[in-house]
Amino acid sequence: EAGVVQSPRYKIIEKKQPVAFWCNPISGHNTLYWYLQNLGQGPELLIRYENEEAVDDSQLPKDRFSAERLKGVDSTLKIQPAELGDSAVYLCASSLGSSGRAVSYNEQFFGPGTRLTVL
Amino acid sequence: AQSVTQPDIHITVSEGASLELRCNYSYGATPYLFWYVQSPGQGLQLLLKYFSGDTLVQGIKGFEAEFKRSQSSFNLRKPSVHWSDAAEYFCAVGEVRDDKIIFGKGTRLHILP
Repeated sequence: EAGVVQSPRYKIIEKKQPVAFWCNPISGHNTLYWYLQNLGQGPELLIRYENEEAVDDSQLPKDRFSAERLKGVDSTLKIQPAELGDSAVYLCASSLGSSGRAVSYNEQFFGPGTRLTVL
Repeated sequence: AQSVTQPDIHITVSEGASLELRCNYSYGATPYLFWYVQSPGQGLQLLLKYFSGDTLVQGIKGFEAEFKRSQSSFNLRKPSVHWSDAAEYFCAVGEVRDDKIIFGKGTRLHILP
């Protein structure tokens, strides 16, 4: 079974240009996450989707970042315009879905990430 | 607020030697704790997790971790490392209720031949 697929794997752009990242989660996984991983840091959640609904976007810088998951399957994360400080790895993860109960856990499966370099 | 501290940015051990990676957490209730590994160019892979019960948790690839509430620690161990264990290791604390997890900054493991 295929894991989480992300594309592109690498992207180099000049500042002020737009950029988009694509993620296809594991089949049947209702929950999708986008994380930002800066160099030398752990991943930080940007946005979490339950099906097509963004249920946690509190850490998404909404002035330049946007995301969508229109049909509740694959997702796109966009930056417009990109800034030098956006250079990082953008990770996508998916899980079966929020359990809603404090007695079980749905493992998050991570894609390989997209490494963005803004010049 | 939840937080995770991994005090060692880099650790170097010889192949065949034992390994311990440190992790301290801050959380108001009983934490849910995880260790992930990230190899170059790869996504994160879950090594093991602790929710409750036995404080010594066994994971994949021969790793184990011990939860110590009195020390707010969840250290990762392996009795004998292999060259393929060279990677970045992340400790994380989570809210199972919404599958949300907070990661530490990571420890990069280097293996000497």
